[in-house]
Amino acid sequence: DAGVIQSPRHEVTEMGQEVTLRCKPISGHDYLFWYRQTMMRGLELLIYFNNNVPIDDSGMPEDRFSAKMPNASFSTLKIQPSEPRDSAVYFCASNQIGRPQHFGDGTRLSIL
Amino acid sequence: AQKITQTQPGMFVQEKEAVTLDCTYDTSDQSYGLFWYKQPSSGEMIFLIYQGSYDEQNATEGRYSLNFQKARKSANLVISASQLGDSAMYFCAMREPSQMYNNNDMRFGAGTRLTVKP
Repeated sequence: DAGVIQSPRHEVTEMGQEVTLRCKPISGHDYLFWYRQTMMRGLELLIYFNNNVPIDDSGMPEDRFSAKMPNASFSTLKIQPSEPRDSAVYFCASNQIGRPQHFGDGTRLSIL
Repeated sequence: AQKITQTQPGMFVQEKEAVTLDCTYDTSDQSYGLFWYKQPSSGEMIFLIYQGSYDEQNATEGRYSLNFQKARKSANLVISASQLGDSAMYFCAMREPSQMYNNNDMRFGAGTRLTVKP
């Protein structure tokens, strides 16, 4: 079975540019999560969806960040405009309620 | 307030020996779930083991076992017969229910870096 698929694996871009991270959850999972991991702050939950509806976005750092889930098999996390402090590894995860979350391989984002 | 505490930033263990990674948590709920994940240097997050707060027995999964002490609010991970491939970051996490039926998020500890020495 395919796991959670994230793209791109690596992204390097200049400050001010728009960045779009993509995620395909595991089929049948009705929850999708976006996390950010940095050395300073560890693993932080940014937002999560249930049946494509955002449930809790209190972890989204500021208005430059937005996330969508237009259908059950696709989600995006956008940063516009990007800043150097956004550099981190961004993970997408999915699960069914009560079950462990399965993580994608992450997107390593570097903002120059 | 910190919900999940992992007090050991780094641990060393000799190959083939057992090691315990500590995790304490804070919750006022009676129903919750505890998880351990492994993150090798390649970066992916790998689910290892789960313990429900109402589970009477400690969870086990191969060489992994969870030493669950509910009264002390601790959920330590025990790795038996350590292997070189066990060298990684290990994260403890907790999921609590809430008044919202569909609350399903987890909070992670800061992690423990385990190094297995040959």
